[in-house]
Amino acid sequence: AQSVTQPDIHITVSEGASLELRCNYSYGATPYLFWYVQSPGQGLQLLLKYFSGDTLVQGIKGFEAEFKRSQSSFNLRKPSVHWSDAAEYFCAVGPGGFQKLVFGTGTRLLVSP
Amino acid sequence: DAGITQSPRYKITETGRQVTLMCHQTWSHSYMFWYRQDLGHGLRLIYYSAAADITDKGEVPDGYVVSRSKTENFPLTLESATRSQTSVYFCASSEGGEQYFGPGTRLTVT
Repeated sequence: AQSVTQPDIHITVSEGASLELRCNYSYGATPYLFWYVQSPGQGLQLLLKYFSGDTLVQGIKGFEAEFKRSQSSFNLRKPSVHWSDAAEYFCAVGPGGFQKLVFGTGTRLLVSP
Repeated sequence: DAGITQSPRYKITETGRQVTLMCHQTWSHSYMFWYRQDLGHGLRLIYYSAAADITDKGEVPDGYVVSRSKTENFPLTLESATRSQTSVYFCASSEGGEQYFGPGTRLTVT
């Protein structure tokens, strides 16, 4: 069965510092890959997605992610974190597309001043 | 206003009662989804629908019923609510590779 692992439950980053959130998936082929962000009390918003092609994907709000097939990873990065980035981040995998996504358990990002 | 809406936003009910959560989207997206969000589990797919009158089970369908008589609506019914169904429920719609999520319904079963 497909699975998604986000090994970090919480991460604290200083404002202005760089960020990397980890995501590993288990699937035989290359799935569709997504990162979503959830602000408190809100629904999820898509940050970026990878279907094929260039393995470095640019998203909204200055985020990017890199697909590494050899490591089955799709880590999310941002060079300089802002206080407004504090939220929960979910990695998701769509084994056969986008119809049935499997989500990771999420990483809560705290931003310290 | 265009988008995807859920109602109610908050609901408290008693064990054994029937509860229906509503989801409405204005984009005419083909696909719609219901997820539940619980601590330590992320989001888990309950049911999804590829079009009107076409529904299929997700990862955790037991205890839930869905219908989709119109493209824009996708109600989720808990036929006999249990405490284990206390959760935050999210509806989403999709067309072409991105799922758009509603604001969620927080359901408490006492």
